[in-house]
Amino acid sequence: KNEVEQSPQNLTAQEGEFITINCSYSVGISALHWLQQHPGGGIVSLFMLSSGKKKHGRLIATINIQEKHSSLHITASHPRDSAVYICAVRKNKLIFGTGTRLQVFP
Amino acid sequence: EAGVAQSPRYKIIEKRQSVAFWCNPISGHATLYWYQQILGQGPKLLIQFQNNGVVDDSQLPKDRFSAERLKGVDSTLKIQPAKLEDSAVYLCASSLGSGLGQETQYFGPGTRLLVL
Repeated sequence: KNEVEQSPQNLTAQEGEFITINCSYSVGISALHWLQQHPGGGIVSLFMLSSGKKKHGRLIATINIQEKHSSLHITASHPRDSAVYICAVRKNKLIFGTGTRLQVFP
Repeated sequence: EAGVAQSPRYKIIEKRQSVAFWCNPISGHATLYWYQQILGQGPKLLIQFQNNGVVDDSQLPKDRFSAERLKGVDSTLKIQPAKLEDSAVYLCASSLGSGLGQETQYFGPGTRLLVL
């Protein structure tokens, strides 16, 4: 079993929909990252969380340390949000989930 | 501020050949990481440097992979000889400090390797 599990693996949505991507982990962590990877490989850091909730534009990330669970929400989704979203947790080093592939259609 | 630079962006080689990737981190960043990302999987750390010293290379297949960061700035990752299963995107990342605790890593665009 992977130490970091994401769901769903694939997600399609219509433009404007509210999207939720989930991440569960099984190890003690000092921080959790949400990353965005566009086709072509480059990765962008979206959030780094150790507790509570963070918001940036249409993106919201939450973490529940007791339940070892985090969610990434996208409000009013747009086709340019189409990407792979990766959850990574920091133990001694970053441990990555396998990613959630999101496609948003106009 | 310039980001993490990598080259080449794409490489196609035959098995048993050698290949080298180059990474130039963000100026001033002490820590540099090489990751391997196989299609459909998350990145896997191969090696982490702090300045020119190796912090973690526990997942680096040392029989065929090598990496160096001689002057504590840019780095090269070499595969010699390559196997089919080495086909992946090789990502370089850097961070300002020691890489411990809550610190943001900045990723390069990656080098996509295909071994035939």
